[in-house]
Amino acid sequence: SQTIHQWPATLVQPVGSPLSLECTVEGTSNPNLYWYRQAAGRGLQLLFYSVGIGQISSEVPQNLSASRPQDRQFILSSKKLLLSDSGFYLCAWRHPVGVIKGYTFGSGTRLTVV
Amino acid sequence: QKEVEQNSGPLSVPEGAIASLNCTYSDRVSQSFFWYRQYSGKSPELIMSIYSNGDKEDGRFTAQLNKASQYVSLLIRDSQPSDSATYLCAVIKGGSTLGRLYFGRGTQLTVWP
Repeated sequence: SQTIHQWPATLVQPVGSPLSLECTVEGTSNPNLYWYRQAAGRGLQLLFYSVGIGQISSEVPQNLSASRPQDRQFILSSKKLLLSDSGFYLCAWRHPVGVIKGYTFGSGTRLTVV
Repeated sequence: QKEVEQNSGPLSVPEGAIASLNCTYSDRVSQSFFWYRQYSGKSPELIMSIYSNGDKEDGRFTAQLNKASQYVSLLIRDSQPSDSATYLCAVIKGGSTLGRLYFGRGTQLTVWP
C-alpha cells in the first residue's frame, strides 16, 4: 500500500531563517505531488504541484519554492522566512491517472515563524 | 471568484440528527468532487467522492451533485459526536492528468450528545 511521510511535525523558526520541509511517498511510482498551506482560520491553499522529477508549477507568487529531486520526494523551501509564512503545511499525492481517487495527505508540518 | 464556496458555519446538530453541508463551485467544466473531513490539528482525510449527477451513498454519508446548479452537498445521517470536525469541499480543476484540487474554507460541524 502507498504511504506518505512528512517531517518535521512541528517547527518554530525565527524570521529571516531558512526552511526545508520534506515529503516522501512510498509504494507508488511517478506520483503527482502537491504542497498546500492552511493558515489559521483559512482554507487550504495550493502552493506548488509537480507531475515529475524537476517539474514544478507554482500557484501563487510567494516567499517559498519547491523542488522534486527524486521521483517520490518533494521539498518545500525558503531562503528567508516571513511571519506570514506561519501555517500548517501539507504534502499530498495522487496517482497520475487516478484523479477520481482524490488526493492523500501527509500528516502535516505546523510551522510557527517568530 | 473563488473556485469553491462553503458556508463556514459553524453548524451544530444533536446526536442522531441529519447534518447537511453545502458547497458551490465556479468552474462549470469541473468533473470530480470530493468531501474531506479534518479533525482539529490533523490533516484532511477523504470521506466521499462524486462525479455524476445525483446521489452517492456510503454508510451514513450521502453526497449529492447537481452540475446544472454547480452545487455539491454532504448529508450525514445519525450524526455522532465523533463526526464533530471541519468538512472541506474540494473540486478538481484542469483535467484528469494535470488537474489540481481546490478547497473551500470548510464548515465546522459540532454534534452534541
